[in-house]
Amino acid sequence: EAEVAQSPRYKITEKSQAVAFWCDPISGHATLYWYRQILGQGPELLVQFQDESVVDDSQLPKDRFSAERLKGVDSTLKIQPAELGDSAMYLCASSLMTDYGYTFGSGTRLTVV
Amino acid sequence: ILNVEQSPQSLHVQEGDSTNFTCSFPSSNFYALHWYRWETAKSPEALFVMTLNGDEKKKGRISATLNTKEGYSYLYIKGSQPEDSATYLCAWHGSSNTGKLIFGQGTTLQVKP
Repeated sequence: EAEVAQSPRYKITEKSQAVAFWCDPISGHATLYWYRQILGQGPELLVQFQDESVVDDSQLPKDRFSAERLKGVDSTLKIQPAELGDSAMYLCASSLMTDYGYTFGSGTRLTVV
Repeated sequence: ILNVEQSPQSLHVQEGDSTNFTCSFPSSNFYALHWYRWETAKSPEALFVMTLNGDEKKKGRISATLNTKEGYSYLYIKGSQPEDSATYLCAWHGSSNTGKLIFGQGTTLQVKP
């Protein structure tokens, strides 16, 4: 069964350092999402791509976060500099079309110390 | 502000008990309601995508109903088993957005053998 690949699974970084997460969606899925889940809350959309174009990044803290999906396939989410409040689970998901269910990766658990 | 609320926040039941959770969501501009199951250390897994008022969906011992006019959905688990222990997330998909899901904070179910 096709999966969404994410790496790393866990990341511990010091505040003010840079950190990057990688996601490889299911082949053929044009839509890719990055969500962040802070403990005790529901996942919140950070950025949505349709192919290589950003569709929604209204909740992305652009002063420190950046995301790219250069060839419309895999994607990288970067944080620079990391802050203590960025500690969370970062989930990547893809879907065939925007009205289909998502397929999620297993996430990256980030701890900023 | 769009709000999706789930209750209860957590639930502890004995093996064999039947249980249900509630998801409330905005009734206007409704397109679809998603349910996901998220087991510890795994990826969130899609259970149901529901679109029509009065819709009922079933997958094994798990079923869900949808009321779009009043803005709520119920998830039922019949005869809970320890392997049902997980966090259950609902997510609202509005008709005026691009596929973005607004998630509730989840209901964490613990089934004791």
